Amino acid sequence: GAGVSQSPSNKVTEKGKDVELRCDPISGHTALYWYRQSLGQGLEFLIYFQGNSAPDKSGLPSDRFSAERTGGSVSTLTIQRTQQEDSAVYLCASSLGGAGDTQYFGPGTRLTVL
Amino acid sequence: AQRVTQPEKLLSVFKGAPVELKCNYSYSGSPELFWYVQYSRQRLQLLLRHISRESIKGFTADLNKGETSFHLKKPFAQEEDSAMYYCAIGRLGFQKLVFGTGTRLLVSP
Repeated sequence: GAGVSQSPSNKVTEKGKDVELRCDPISGHTALYWYRQSLGQGLEFLIYFQGNSAPDKSGLPSDRFSAERTGGSVSTLTIQRTQQEDSAVYLCASSLGGAGDTQYFGPGTRLTVL
Repeated sequence: AQRVTQPEKLLSVFKGAPVELKCNYSYSGSPELFWYVQYSRQRLQLLLRHISRESIKGFTADLNKGETSFHLKKPFAQEEDSAMYYCAIGRLGFQKLVFGTGTRLLVSP
């Protein structure tokens, strides 16, 4: 079946603008993760959704970052008032359950803030 | 705090040579260790996890709790092994993973 999909694949925006990044997880997967990969850095955890539980937002770097997951499926990561340091590849992953299940990654969204 | 260190940004070997990609971690508790791989123009995917004790594509990794290491090894590298490799750690019953900065493996003919 289809894997995790993300859109857009590339996004260029001006400093101060808001952006929305979308993730479609694998159908039936209850867990969804957002990570960020900055140049020369490893993947940095941002947020985790599991079913109807409250999300784990412990990785969000500032209050400019937020995410929601509607209907337990699609997720949107929103960055408000973008800064140049927000430039990175944003990766989404999903897993069948939560703890212990393999995470399947999407192709990522490359965000460039000018 | 959990931390994963991959000391080599680039590892270049010839085809048929042994390869070892290093991974050291710091963690208090019972960790679960993973290796993820990203081939050119493909998405990140799981290669292996220590709890499975399996060999994937000829790669193995042994968790050494004394040395807090989880090095990835293959006795005879192939050109198709060229990729970016990431070591990651999570706790048992984990949710989020902590990744290293990755090592690029380049296998030359």
